[in-house]
Amino acid sequence: NAGVMQNPRHLVRRRGQEARLRCSPMKGHSHVYWYRQLPEEGLKFMVYLQKENIIDESGMPKERFSAEFPKEGPSILRIQQVVRGDSAAYFCASSPPEQETQYFGPGTRLLVL
Amino acid sequence: AQSVTQLDSQVPVFEEAPVELRCNYSSSVSVYLFWYVQYPNQGLQLLLKYLSGSTLVKGINGFEAEFNKSQTSFHLRKPSVHISDTAEYFCAVSAPGTYKYIFGTGTRLKVLA
Repeated sequence: NAGVMQNPRHLVRRRGQEARLRCSPMKGHSHVYWYRQLPEEGLKFMVYLQKENIIDESGMPKERFSAEFPKEGPSILRIQQVVRGDSAAYFCASSPPEQETQYFGPGTRLLVL
Repeated sequence: AQSVTQLDSQVPVFEEAPVELRCNYSSSVSVYLFWYVQYPNQGLQLLLKYLSGSTLVKGINGFEAEFNKSQTSFHLRKPSVHISDTAEYFCAVSAPGTYKYIFGTGTRLKVLA
């Protein structure tokens, strides 16, 4: 059973461009979570999704950030018009329904120039 | 709302010595508690978790933690560390049913030869 997959592992964007981060959950997991880790900080919750539904987006910045988890395919975290402050590691986690333990992917490290 | 405090940002320890990494939490409701380890440029790996039951929890790689409700603590211990334990360790808490983890700021364990 493959773990949580994230791609790309590293992403470089210039200010004003768009960043798309992908997350494929573990097989059988229908819950996906996104977290952001700023340099020298812990992880901060961003959003919790189930298939085709956003359950909790209380940690998402109000502008430029969006997330989706379609019926088919990976979950996508989209950052429009990136700024230098968006440089961070973005981690995706997944869990089976009704289970508390989250399993994390290797992360996507975004660098905004 | 929940919060997590990891007071020690860095802990140096000699190889084969015991180590304790401290984690305190605050919450007005019952919580689930987790310890994750992050090796450089990698994702988070679950070390152990407390959901209910016995307050002494054993995890992978020889780690254990004890849930102390009166002290609101969940300290991580290992009786004898190895060089390979050098990593960053994160404590996390979630309230049952919320599925949102609140992470501490991490403790960097450095094992010295």
